[in-house]
Amino acid sequence: DADVTQTPRNRITKTGKRIMLECSQTKGHDRMYWYRQDPGLGLRLIYYSFDVKDINKGEISDGYSVSRQAQAKFSLSLESAIPNQTALYFCATSVEGAGTGELFFGEGSRLTVL
Amino acid sequence: DQQVKQNSPSLSVQEGRISILNCDYTNSMFDYFLWYKKYPAEGPTFLISISSIKDKNEDGRFTVFLNKSAKHLSLHIVPSQPGDSAVYFCAARDSGNTPLVFGKGTRLSVIA
Repeated sequence: DADVTQTPRNRITKTGKRIMLECSQTKGHDRMYWYRQDPGLGLRLIYYSFDVKDINKGEISDGYSVSRQAQAKFSLSLESAIPNQTALYFCATSVEGAGTGELFFGEGSRLTVL
Repeated sequence: DQQVKQNSPSLSVQEGRISILNCDYTNSMFDYFLWYKKYPAEGPTFLISISSIKDKNEDGRFTVFLNKSAKHLSLHIVPSQPGDSAVYFCAARDSGNTPLVFGKGTRLSVIA
């Protein structure tokens, strides 16, 4: 089983719908992240959380919200999806204090907004 | 403003030859640099890293070189193999609590 699990893996929805992407991890890491990948734009940070009571905006947080329900769970919500939120979304975790800040990624959630 | 730049969207190399992937950065506070590899339908996976106190780090066929004065790093893969065909992301962070910042990626194709 994957250490970082994302659900759903694929989702097609319509403009205006509310969507939640879920992430759970068994690595025991405190830090969790949501990134978005678009062709030609690389990986961009949406939100991150260093512990259950900590939530921080990333580079492209507009139109998104997150919830850190437990150390192991971090969900990303699109309150009213729009077509330019069509992308591949990745959840990641890291260890607190690790020098390199190495991230461990899930397998991704592909979201299509029609 | 992009802090980590990978100016080559794609690179094609013959099997057995050297692949050189380049990355430039603008933030002089970056202390750690990482390379990630991504296959289609999978999440990125960590490949190799280097800290700012070093200028070279080697792991098997993979070597990362860091030139701090030029704010440039490169990943060398020798010899290149078809299984190395993937998108490679350069990433960096400072020594504080900031998350990794990624470049746009370079798609490497190794031709048999």
